[in-house]
Amino acid sequence: RKEVEQDPGPFNVPEGATVAFNCTYSNSASQSFFWYRQDCRKEPKLLMSVYSSGNEDGRFTAQLNRASQYISLLIRDSKLSDSATYLCVVNFMANQAGTALIFGKGTTLSVSS
Amino acid sequence: DVKVTQSSRYLVKRTGEKVFLECVQDMDHENMFWYRQDPGLGLRLIYFSYDVKMKEKGDIPEGYSVSREKKERFSLILESASTNQTSMYLCASGASSATNEKLFFGSGTQLSVL
Repeated sequence: RKEVEQDPGPFNVPEGATVAFNCTYSNSASQSFFWYRQDCRKEPKLLMSVYSSGNEDGRFTAQLNRASQYISLLIRDSKLSDSATYLCVVNFMANQAGTALIFGKGTTLSVSS
Repeated sequence: DVKVTQSSRYLVKRTGEKVFLECVQDMDHENMFWYRQDPGLGLRLIYFSYDVKMKEKGDIPEGYSVSREKKERFSLILESASTNQTSMYLCASGASSATNEKLFFGSGTQLSVL
């Protein structure tokens, strides 16, 4: 069974705070992992991929723990513009022909001044 | 920039009607997907396609069918719309790869079935 679980939040933080989101996935054979961002009434957009060694993009750090089937996203120095829903996404092997992305339900972040 | 275009932003249909949702991408992507998004349930995969005339069921294909006659176009069909198909429908496309990385989404179609 393909499952991606996230804490829905909401996470309410002040500007400048550091906030972390977690995500667990059920399929140990999953190949790749991503964080997408979705603004209110907009489509999801790729925020960053998640690599086994961990990766950083400015204020955002993503980490993967394959043994625990766990993914995290850390946002440092939160900005008002970071307010959005963050979707954890896992690539499951659908069949020999290819794969499909399965989305978590998302974690809502609200940054206030 | 990649563009994924969905034919309608808002659509209102009656129960029992046949509904076509159209999606066109301009980046020559092999893979195309249809998701629906509902409050509290997140994005759920309905159908996807790896190539022209190819289709694969996602997690919730019941009540839907799809058509991919041309590479750039992926249509979602509701043969007989029902009220529980009221939802936001999102089309996405992506380049073929072992890891099928970046998906590009259309802006969505909010379908209301009355």
